[in-house]
Amino acid sequence: QQPVQSPQAVILREGEDAVINCSSSKALYSVHWYRQKHGEAPVFLMILLKGGEQKGHDKISASFNEKKQQSSLYLTASQLSYSGTYFCGTAHTGTASKLTFGTGTRLQVTL
Amino acid sequence: GAVVSQHPSRVICKSGTSVKIECRSLDFQATTMFWYRQFPKQSLMLMATSNEGSKATYEQGVEKDKFLINHASLTLSTLTVTSAHPEDSSFYICSARDSGISNQPQHFGDGTRLSIL
Repeated sequence: QQPVQSPQAVILREGEDAVINCSSSKALYSVHWYRQKHGEAPVFLMILLKGGEQKGHDKISASFNEKKQQSSLYLTASQLSYSGTYFCGTAHTGTASKLTFGTGTRLQVTL
Repeated sequence: GAVVSQHPSRVICKSGTSVKIECRSLDFQATTMFWYRQFPKQSLMLMATSNEGSKATYEQGVEKDKFLINHASLTLSTLTVTSAHPEDSSFYICSARDSGISNQPQHFGDGTRLSIL
C-alpha cells in the first residue's frame, strides 16, 4: 500500500520553513526522499536507514521513526529552488531493494 | 555521481506500434533496475523490477506480455511497450542502484514521455 504524505500541497514564502510527513502502514526498512520538478526525473535527496536516524545537508534534513513507521523531511529557510514535488520512497524488510513511492507533496516557494 | 541514461526522451507514434525504451547505468553496474510509470500529477508507480540474466518481476496488474523487459547486461535494461494504445501514453522512468554497494539510493533516468495517437 502506498505511503501517505502530508500535506498534499504547501505554498511558502522564501525563507520560511516546511515539514513534509510520510506515513506507512507497513514496517519500514529504509526511507528515501526525492524531489521532482515538473517534467523531469526525481532527484535523490537522502536515505535514512535506521529507526530514529536523523540526517541532513545544507538546510534540508529528515528523521525516521521506525516504531511509528513514519519519516519527516524538514526544509528550513526555503529557497526558490526548493519548489517541486517531494516524494518519499519506502523500502520494507524482505523487499529491501524495491521502493514504494508516497502520494507526493507539492511545494511552491514564492518571493 | 551515479548517472543513469534513458533513451529516447520523447516518443510520439501511432496506435498499434511497439516502442522500445533503453535504460543504461553509465558509471556503475546494476544487477537490478526498476521501471516506473507516472501519470500527470500523480506519484511514481512501480511496474516491474528488471533482473540481470533472469526474468523480470512484475507488479500486480501490470501485463508482462504488454510490457516486455529485457536486462541482458549489468548496465542495460530495456522496456518494450507492445502494440501501444492511447491509454499507454504516460511518462516512463527507469532507475538503477549500484549493485556493489549496499544501502544505496536509486538513481533515475530522465524519463521517456510516450504519446500514442
